Amino acid sequence: KAGVTQTPRYLIKTRGQQVTLSCSPISGHRSVSWYQQTPGQGLQFLFEYFSETQRNKGNFPGRFSGRQFSNSRSEMNVSTLELGDSALYLCASSLIAGGPSGQTQYFGPGTRLLVL
Amino acid sequence: TQLLEQSPQFLSIQEGENLTVYCNSSSVFSSLQWYRQEPGEGPVLLVTVVTGGEVKKLKRLTFQFGDARKDSSLHITAAQPGDTGLYLCAGLFTTGNQFYFGTGTSLTVIP
Repeated sequence: KAGVTQTPRYLIKTRGQQVTLSCSPISGHRSVSWYQQTPGQGLQFLFEYFSETQRNKGNFPGRFSGRQFSNSRSEMNVSTLELGDSALYLCASSLIAGGPSGQTQYFGPGTRLLVL
Repeated sequence: TQLLEQSPQFLSIQEGENLTVYCNSSSVFSSLQWYRQEPGEGPVLLVTVVTGGEVKKLKRLTFQFGDARKDSSLHITAAQPGDTGLYLCAGLFTTGNQFYFGTGTSLTVIP
């Protein structure tokens, strides 16, 4: 079974630009979550989509948005990029959304974004 | 403010030594997961613990969940260079519906 794929793997943008990142979950997985990873803050939750609906949202400004398509693929968009947006953006897929049962999240390799 | 505190932040040890990594919170977890992340890759799930006092073993790795479900530890016996990586704990709190990650422990095992 193919794992979670993310494109592109590396991206360089300048301040003020916008960027769209893509995530293809494992076949059959309907939940996709996005995380931002930086050396100072660690892994921080951005949002989760399940069946094309945003189920949970982290504490990030409105410049960060996402969507999920009917085939469960997801995109994340960041508008008006700032230097502090430089980070590794990770996507994770799982069979079900939320819940306390500790379902497994499978992470992709991430997209490394550098904002100059 | 970090909801999950991991310690130590960095650890460099010789091959064959033992080590313990800690994950603490002031809130109660519904469940807690440990991940390992290698450079250039996403985190990979090692274990999920859900019951207070639970102990799980994965070869040379032993995971313990505190009785009060507010803390967890990861113990590695006879560390090997292949254990090198970033170890992350992630907790699902009883009051929430998303996982919160600790800042991680960067482990280097020197041959």
